[in-house]
Amino acid sequence: KNQVEQSPQSLIILEGKNCTLQCNYTVSPFSNLRWYKQDTGRGPVSLTIMTFSENTKSNGRYTATLDADTKQSSLHITASQLSDSASYICVVSFNTNAGKSTFGDGTTLTVKP
Amino acid sequence: GAVVSQHPSWVICKSGTSVKIECRSLDFQATTMFWYRQFPKQSLMLMATSNEGSKATYEQGVEKDKFLINHASLTLSTLTVTSAHPEDSSFYICSALRGAHTEAFFGQGTRLTVV
Repeated sequence: KNQVEQSPQSLIILEGKNCTLQCNYTVSPFSNLRWYKQDTGRGPVSLTIMTFSENTKSNGRYTATLDADTKQSSLHITASQLSDSASYICVVSFNTNAGKSTFGDGTTLTVKP
Repeated sequence: GAVVSQHPSWVICKSGTSVKIECRSLDFQATTMFWYRQFPKQSLMLMATSNEGSKATYEQGVEKDKFLINHASLTLSTLTVTSAHPEDSSFYICSALRGAHTEAFFGQGTRLTVV
């Protein structure tokens, strides 16, 4: 069964600090891995998308890494801001149809002043 | 980036009535759209795949007669929750595929409350 596991389930950090969120998956065959940010009551917004051959991708203060051999990905947030408080969801596609994907349960990040 | 718009953002309806939710891709054509529902503090659950010009494909356990999906054009898919009941109250989100099907863009979601 294809699975995507995220950790930690929740995280509280102080404004300005860095943090790293983890995503382990068993999806096979692998097509791409995406990180989304979902604010409460809103739809997910894409942060990064990586294919099998990509090891890292950045989007501003967000940097995602991918190790396709160990099937692990991480999302690193630098110099956190209060607006970073949200749920971060890891989504792995097992074919070229991006909608047919396996969603992680998300990590809820709270940034406190 | 690509924009997907959902309407309405929230709706309250009486039990037994039907509610239609629209999903539009504003600046690209989407032959495939997806509908999800999300309960509080849970992940998105795929309900169905909406294909332009053909019948939707429903996931196991999703009643096609209760959740009617119509994808009449390359920019619009609609989800109609028929004879809604309180247990249908949820957050419904659509997504649309752009280009070579490598990325899906999500709508802002619709909060449905059935009273």
